[in-house]
Amino acid sequence: EVQLLESGGGLEQPGGSLRLSCAASGFVFSNFAMNWVRQAPGKGLEWVSGIGDSGRNTYYADPVKGRFTISRDNSRNTLFLQMNSLRAEDTAVYYCAKDLSDWRPQYFDLWGQGALVTVSS
Amino acid sequence: DIVLTQSPATLSLSPGERATLSCRASQSITTFLAWYQQKPGQAPRLLIYDASKRATGIPARFSGSGSGTDFTLTISNLEPEDFAVYYCQQRTNWAEAFGQGTKVGIK
Repeated sequence: EVQLLESGGGLEQPGGSLRLSCAASGFVFSNFAMNWVRQAPGKGLEWVSGIGDSGRNTYYADPVKGRFTISRDNSRNTLFLQMNSLRAEDTAVYYCAKDLSDWRPQYFDLWGQGALVTVSS
Repeated sequence: DIVLTQSPATLSLSPGERATLSCRASQSITTFLAWYQQKPGQAPRLLIYDASKRATGIPARFSGSGSGTDFTLTISNLEPEDFAVYYCQQRTNWAEAFGQGTKVGIK
């Protein structure tokens, strides 16, 4: 079955860290760029970060640049998002999303079910 | 930065009617635009990419058009499962990739 399964969400204090994982199955993971997209409670969609198929090229939205790091392990078909220096405004459901492209973010044709990250003291 | 403005914010229609959703870009994005559908408690689903190409498995009642700065998503003959929030997304500049959404509700 073609799917993405996120894990690693939870409650963290401001200034803390969390690491999200996304396990992919049912497609050739190493052939596609991957992304993280978040959605704050009751709000719209916000692209967070993307990574090319090889992992060499990474892309970040300004609000998370310098705090979040995207990476991938093609041998394990897994995408990661390391989130440091968390802020209250990072509270959201984080979706892992497969790209139609191979080398850079374009369009997202497969989404995970989402992982809730709550940043609060 | 490119800003996408969707209108209307809310659309109230009956099953069987046609829905016309608009997405306007603050500067030209040629045809680099996608449309997504999101139902409550679910992840978004890609409907249209490159302004007019239907994604795999998307019914023919969904169609996209436009280029430059003005884009339209048309849902002909609304089915009960089509009532949802729809987002447009551009891939030219990632500062604000998504529009704010249009909710298509049942009249």
